Amino acid sequence: QSVLTQPPSASGTPGQRVTISCSGRSSNIGSNPVHWYQQLPGTAPKLLIYTNNQRPSGVPDRFSGSKSGTSASLAISGLQSEDEADYYCAAWDDSLNGRVFGTGTKVTVL
Amino acid sequence: EVQLVESGGGLVQPGGSLKLSCAASGFTFSGSAIHWVRQASGKGLEWVARIRSKANRYATTYAASVKGRFTISRDDSKNTAYLQMNSLKTEDTAVYYCTSYDYDDSGAFDYWGQGTLVTVSS
Repeated sequence: QSVLTQPPSASGTPGQRVTISCSGRSSNIGSNPVHWYQQLPGTAPKLLIYTNNQRPSGVPDRFSGSKSGTSASLAISGLQSEDEADYYCAAWDDSLNGRVFGTGTKVTVL
Repeated sequence: EVQLVESGGGLVQPGGSLKLSCAASGFTFSGSAIHWVRQASGKGLEWVARIRSKANRYATTYAASVKGRFTISRDDSKNTAYLQMNSLKTEDTAVYYCTSYDYDDSGAFDYWGQGTLVTVSS
């Protein structure tokens, strides 16, 4: 029942830049901030980006976020092997009156 | 150290009930909204429910998939939140996470528990 659409997979070699898109609608991304999570296998999600483009302390500046209209994106520059994980976008949806997550993107480091 | 510790998961038959608990420590539980999020094996994250703080009248909201079957509640005296799950279906099988977050101009907090597994099967 994911409301936000992400590509199922993305990949790159070490050092490359990878971008993940997140597409929503006016009731969610269009009117509320977007947040991004990283989930390693068997662990709880970890906040990577909040309020569109803010990094929590401890998150490397290789990770950056942006938002435009009803879409958002996460960029990973200088890809590293430890970046191999699942990534999810999230936003509040005013119509559903609940939080919605993206479909998830698995990032593979080749 | 912030901790959110879920408990109460297990195996239950379709149509049965289960009550999950989320014990919090290390942050101002009473002033924070609490959410439950679930994840079926190999699948994505699905938001389940939220309860706000006393200042926001303990307002609750639910995902359409659980509305009318699940009830979220909290006991601020025990720093604990709950998820009562009734009329369980096989599609409710998932790891259930308790989480609390807030983002403002001064920064962000975003806490998750380790999750508790709920299996609905005959």
